[in-house]
Amino acid sequence: DAGITQSPRHKVTETGTPVTLRCHQTENHRYMYWYRQDPGHGLRLIHYSYGVKDTDKGEVSDGYSVSRSKTEDFLLTLESATSSQTSVYFCAISEASGSALQGEQYFGPGTRLTVT
Amino acid sequence: KNQVEQSPQSLIILEGKNCTLQCNYTVSPFSNLRWYKQDTGRGPVSLTIMTFSENTKSNGRYTATLDADTKQSSLHITASQLSDSASYICVVPNAGGTSYGKLTFGQGTILTVHP
Repeated sequence: DAGITQSPRHKVTETGTPVTLRCHQTENHRYMYWYRQDPGHGLRLIHYSYGVKDTDKGEVSDGYSVSRSKTEDFLLTLESATSSQTSVYFCAISEASGSALQGEQYFGPGTRLTVT
Repeated sequence: KNQVEQSPQSLIILEGKNCTLQCNYTVSPFSNLRWYKQDTGRGPVSLTIMTFSENTKSNGRYTATLDADTKQSSLHITASQLSDSASYICVVPNAGGTSYGKLTFGQGTILTVHP
């Protein structure tokens, strides 16, 4: 998985609780992404980062926030988890400038989150 | 709206047989098209990236074709193996507009190879 780890790998939480997922890379790639994958949908971009403290929203960013204080770590926070956020979350990294247009994206192993 | 449509949604074949997966896209302007393989419980892994000037590209038993005029791509798997059982995802980056650089993912084709 190209030097990408995600933690936790599985989590069950209750509605209304805050949840933070962590993505850690050892590749020193500039770009990092958070996606969610749900049945009947392709992977959808939540947020991405193009450098330390530089982040931007994706297509499904409502209810999520991110932070990147170091090159190697990208955190995804659900401030108040809802059942609709039950999903599998993937982190990805990319080296190329201009995000994914020219460069390959490498995906982490995923975190399965269940909100009850 | 940029879209990537894949067919079939699922496919079952016997080990040793060949199969072809289809991808149609409406992403414009076009830069490249990628095929990923996603094993159950794992993240997607890239199989091939094709630019608009490439018609065919092979990676072992996987051969991807691209017709940029009709906006269609196919992934052909030869002499299938049990380890080919996975979801195959077609991905096209957005090369212009407000979604520049973002990836548009197909829903994937779930391939099951039976012994």
